Formats: sequence, structure tokens, C-alpha cells
Amino acid sequence: DAKTTQPNSMESNEEEPVHLPCNHSTISGTDYIHWYRQLPSQGPEYVIHGLTSNVNNRMASLAIAEDRKSSTLILHRATLRDAAVYYCILRDGAGTASKLTFGTGTRLQVTL
Amino acid sequence: DTGVSQDPRHKITKRGQNVTFRCDPISEHNRLYWYRQTLGQGPEFLTYFQNEAQLEKSRLLSDRFSAERPKGSFSTLEIQRTEQGDSAMYLCASSRGGSENYGYTFGSGTRLTVV
Repeated sequence: DAKTTQPNSMESNEEEPVHLPCNHSTISGTDYIHWYRQLPSQGPEYVIHGLTSNVNNRMASLAIAEDRKSSTLILHRATLRDAAVYYCILRDGAGTASKLTFGTGTRLQVTL
Repeated sequence: DTGVSQDPRHKITKRGQNVTFRCDPISEHNRLYWYRQTLGQGPEFLTYFQNEAQLEKSRLLSDRFSAERPKGSFSTLEIQRTEQGDSAMYLCASSRGGSENYGYTFGSGTRLTVV
């Protein structure tokens, strides 16, 4: 699986936007970019995924660079409940089933 | 959709004992995954089922570990002769098959402590 690079930690103030970066310079043409987050004492939770175009859902937005070598997860208004570890994962969309391979992610702290 | 259920939530066992964990996936999901997570690390893949067939096993899954999904529904993960290094959170996830676009739904995990 192609690798991703994320900052170890980030901080944000509540009700402000948060931009979580992810670098994936070795991404292949069939790799989808997936984001999961893990709240304390819970299993990971799917957030969003995309291939080439920017994506929006009720949880977040995903901005994908034109060359696809980086992406940014955007939380439009951070709340205390968004404090979690955020994982950026590449998943091959071609061929047989591929598993999610997690890195160490970005720990997001949200303060009042 | 009742989510992915894992039982028990916590297990404390003595070194050398056998333990078994259960995972009940979302009913219409035909894929089931087991992961292990230690403190400060992301989840590590252990094994994966499509229906009742175990299609992939990680090298992390030593001979002491065995997983089954006998009827393509719930799954069990057994660890024999537990060691202190087995202490971790064991996570189960399920997903639909047919597309790599489908997200995983994870359970809350079973936290194993080997003393």
C-alpha cells in the first residue's frame, strides 16, 4: 500500500475551521483517499473518501490536490467532540479486495 | 443498522490462558476484518473474511491466533497461551463487498490485558 504522511498533532479552537493535511506523493492512479477518525476508547469511524474531485458530506470536506499527491480534510467548525486521531489512508480501488492500512494519524486537540 | 458488536468489552486473563472474542458484524456486510491496536499506534491488520472464507492473514497472526467465521455471520478470534505482549485492543470491522469504495464500520473493540 502507498504510504501517507501526516503531522503527529494539531490544535484548534472550538468553532474554528480545521485543515488536516496529508501527503501521499507515491499515490497510484487507482488509489482512493480515505479518512477515518478515532475518538478516545472507540473504534475508528469512517469520515470521507475521494478519488480526484473534492468531496463534501455532513461530517467534513475533502480537498484533493490536482496532482493527487496531497489532500486536506476540512472540518468547517471544530467542536470538542471532534477531538480525535484522524487517519489518512490510501486504498487501492482496482482488482481484489484491499485492506485498510493505518498509520499513526494526526491527534487533533480542540480547545475552548 | 445496529452497528458492529464486540464481546466482551474488556478481558483480563493470566498469562498462558486461552481467550476468545466474538464479533457480530452488520448483517448485510459480507466482509469482516480483525485488527489489533496498541497504545499510541494505529490499528494493525490481522485477518480478513469474505463470507466464511478467510482470505488473508497478517504475519502478526502467529500460530497461537486463530479466527473463524463459520456461517459467514459472526466471527471469533481465539488466542491460545496468551502472553503479555498480546495485551492490546482487538477491533473488528465489517464492510460490504463488491467495491473498494465502501467504508468500514468498526466495533468498539475488546481490550485484552494479560497479567
